[in-house]
Amino acid sequence: EPEVTQTPSHQVTQMGQEVILRCVPISNHLYFYWYRQILGQKVEFLVSFYNNEISEKSEIFDDQFSVERPDGSNFTLKIRSTKLEDSAMYFCASSEQAFTYEQYFGPGTRLTVT
Amino acid sequence: RKEVEQDPGPFNVPEGATVAFNCTYSNSASQSFFWYRQDCRKEPKLLMSVYSSGNEDGRFTAQLNRASQYISLLIRDSKLSDSATYLCVVQYQGGKLIFGQGTELSVKP
Repeated sequence: EPEVTQTPSHQVTQMGQEVILRCVPISNHLYFYWYRQILGQKVEFLVSFYNNEISEKSEIFDDQFSVERPDGSNFTLKIRSTKLEDSAMYFCASSEQAFTYEQYFGPGTRLTVT
Repeated sequence: RKEVEQDPGPFNVPEGATVAFNCTYSNSASQSFFWYRQDCRKEPKLLMSVYSSGNEDGRFTAQLNRASQYISLLIRDSKLSDSATYLCVVQYQGGKLIFGQGTELSVKP
């Protein structure tokens, strides 16, 4: 069964450093998403991406965040200058279409900012 | 008011019990509705979509009441493997998913 993959599984970084989280969506999917989940809290939407551009972003997704699809397979989330409060699990998801279609989630990257 | 609100639990039930989860949502622009399941520190996985007509998948029954902005999930004959956090999720046009806090279920032998 096709699956979304994410690397690394755990990233530890110092405050102020840049991090790039990587995702490989399912190959025939066209819509891509990033969500995050701070420990003990709910899953929160960050951004959706379609046709090489951002479709929608949340208030959390400020100028420190960016997304990119650098080639035909990878989908990345960059945080330019990490803060302590960026520590969370980051999930990538993909779907065939935007609406009513199941979003398949990757296993997540646990980001720890020290 | 939270966009999606659930009772956080935990619900502690014996094997074989029937358990019901409720959820309310505040934005009538919500278009699609789902229940996801999340095991400890893992990714959310789709359990089932929720339709106004109600839908059933084995031991699981989901119901949507658009007028009351209320969603429910019923689990019959609980198994140990049902222990997880159940996430009520609404989707807006464009695909964005909004999650509830989740309801924790623990099924005991």
